[in-house]
Amino acid sequence: NAGVTQTPKFHILKIGQSMTLQCTQDMNHNYMYWYRQDPGMGLKLIYYSVGAGITDKGEVPNGYNVSRSTTEDFPLRLELAAPSQTSVYFCASSYSGADTQYFGPGTRLTVL
Amino acid sequence: KQEVTQIPAALSVPEGENLVLNCSFTDSAIYNLQWFRQDPGKGLTSLLLIQSSQREQTSGRLNASLDKSSGRSTLYIAASQPGDSATYLCAVYNSNYQLIWGAGTKLIIKP
Repeated sequence: NAGVTQTPKFHILKIGQSMTLQCTQDMNHNYMYWYRQDPGMGLKLIYYSVGAGITDKGEVPNGYNVSRSTTEDFPLRLELAAPSQTSVYFCASSYSGADTQYFGPGTRLTVL
Repeated sequence: KQEVTQIPAALSVPEGENLVLNCSFTDSAIYNLQWFRQDPGKGLTSLLLIQSSQREQTSGRLNASLDKSSGRSTLYIAASQPGDSATYLCAVYNSNYQLIWGAGTKLIIKP
């Protein structure tokens, strides 16, 4: 099992551009999550999904969108990138709510 | 609003010492609590998950305790090794099954 995979590992984006961060899990988990981690801070939840076709906002959803068309994939879309979105983005999955979460290696995104 | 605090932010100890990392949370109405390890430039690895009905969990040299009434959890690391150097993060599940995170404790074990 590969677990949770994320692409790309690094990316530099110009202000106003858009991009999609990819996340795939092969553990047949129902729940998937997107977090951002700023330097010296804890993780903040952006969006989460409890199953294919169901998504909901987390603590910091502004400027982002998600979709969940399959159990395996949970892409994160950044629209009109801003410098405040410079961060490390982590995708995670779990079998159910309040269960152990498994994390991908992260995407380090810089917006200039 | 649930807030999670980890003190200290950084800790440096000689190899072989036993040590305790602290995590406190403001709302005792939590489900589970999870401890993670994060290595520089890498993702997070789950170390221990304590269910709200449990008082502690053990895995190898690690022991995590949970006291919901006082809003505290501790992670005990026995016989520390240089390979234990990492940032340790505590997170609690709120009533919406969302994880609320502390900022972490950066641990350095000196050989």
